[in-house]
Amino acid sequence: SQTIHQWPATLVQPVGSPLSLECTVEGTSNPNLYWYRQAAGRGLQLLFYSVGIGQISSEVPQNLSASRPQDRQFILSSKKLLLSDSGFYLCAWSVRAGVNEQYFGPGTRLTVT
Amino acid sequence: AQSVAQPEDQVNVAEGNPLTVKCTYSVSGNPYLFWYVQYPNRGLQFLLKYISGDNLVKCSYGFEAEFNKSQTSFHLKNPSALVSDSALYFCAVRDMDMGRRALTFGSGTRLQVQP
Repeated sequence: SQTIHQWPATLVQPVGSPLSLECTVEGTSNPNLYWYRQAAGRGLQLLFYSVGIGQISSEVPQNLSASRPQDRQFILSSKKLLLSDSGFYLCAWSVRAGVNEQYFGPGTRLTVT
Repeated sequence: AQSVAQPEDQVNVAEGNPLTVKCTYSVSGNPYLFWYVQYPNRGLQFLLKYISGDNLVKCSYGFEAEFNKSQTSFHLKNPSALVSDSALYFCAVRDMDMGRRALTFGSGTRLQVQP
């Protein structure tokens, strides 16, 4: 069966510090991968999605970036965090072909101080 | 552009009573619709989806949703609520850009089931 991992589970970082969040998927190949941010426990905002290694699409302008160095690895990064980057970050995957649901990881709670 | 509206921030229901969580959508073509549930400090969990065919779709957790094309709705229902159903529920629509395969989510509805 497929599983999706995210780490760390929680993170507290000062303003201006770098960020690296990692997401890995097991049990599937060639997945579509997504990064979402959830603010205030409500709506989800799509940040990035990827349909293959090295292929990243950005949804909103921001100081975050994403990379996909391996087929089942998706990394969210920042060179300098802002207070507004605080939130709950969710990684998700879906099967590439057909109309398929997305499966979400457990999330990372980021607090920028 | 595609959009989803969940008009209720919160729904309160007594345990054992039926519940409905409302969702309406707007798409340019055929909608692909999904429901997810989120428990505190957890990721979203897939409940059910409508792609085509039977307008009533069900999942193993006792929930069902009915696709209504004329009303552009996809309401989530359960005939008998449990306290453990208390959570945040999201409706989502599949983006029509096939390459993206990204979902557009509603703002969420908090379901509170009282014992």
